[in-house]
Amino acid sequence: DQQVKQNSPSLSVQEGRISILNCDYTNSMFDYFLWYKKYPAEGPTFLISISSIKDKNEDGRFTVFLNKSAKHLSLHIVPSQPGDSAVYFCAASAGGTSYGKLTFGQGTILTVHP
Amino acid sequence: DGGITQSPKYLFRKEGQNVTLSCEQNLNHDAMYWYRQDPGQGLRLIYYSQIVNDFQKGDIAEGYSVSREKKESFPLTVTSAQKNPTAFYLCATKDISSYNSPLHFGNGTRLTVT
Repeated sequence: DQQVKQNSPSLSVQEGRISILNCDYTNSMFDYFLWYKKYPAEGPTFLISISSIKDKNEDGRFTVFLNKSAKHLSLHIVPSQPGDSAVYFCAASAGGTSYGKLTFGQGTILTVHP
Repeated sequence: DGGITQSPKYLFRKEGQNVTLSCEQNLNHDAMYWYRQDPGQGLRLIYYSQIVNDFQKGDIAEGYSVSREKKESFPLTVTSAQKNPTAFYLCATKDISSYNSPLHFGNGTRLTVT
């Protein structure tokens, strides 16, 4: 049962344009959402997060939007740069006994062309 | 400098042999996690530990074992009972004093079993 889904395996964008990566979830107990960026043969690095009490969080070129009613979140990168080319994972966590455990989506490969 | 060290980066074993993957951290984080990544899939949780001498099974614990004898170390043993051990293994830590803090990942160990 895939509780966090990234339905687009890949995304190709021109440098300077906006990249939009999407993520859907099914577990209504999730209350904290994160995006990670990963290069090949390296561990994921934390990018940005959002709590379920918010619908938007911004950090420089990165903005995460959360639509709780649709159980959907998205990551916007503006403007996109070639160095942003990587695999992007969304992840979610719930409180209680699941404290600290993250459930990950399958990842989306972003390619930014110069 | 502070961080998470996973060693070795590449590991090769024959089928039927147990193998132990090392994870050491000097971030002073209480919680440590082991995830596995397979091609085209997200990260799946194997085991986690929130305190020394205590650990819990994740979603795919069968064929694996762990120990947490000291705060800095959380080794993972891949036993011969694990049916598909070839994968990229990632260790992570978390500062559990803050709920909304991200997981920090090491750079992973790629295990190949033939």
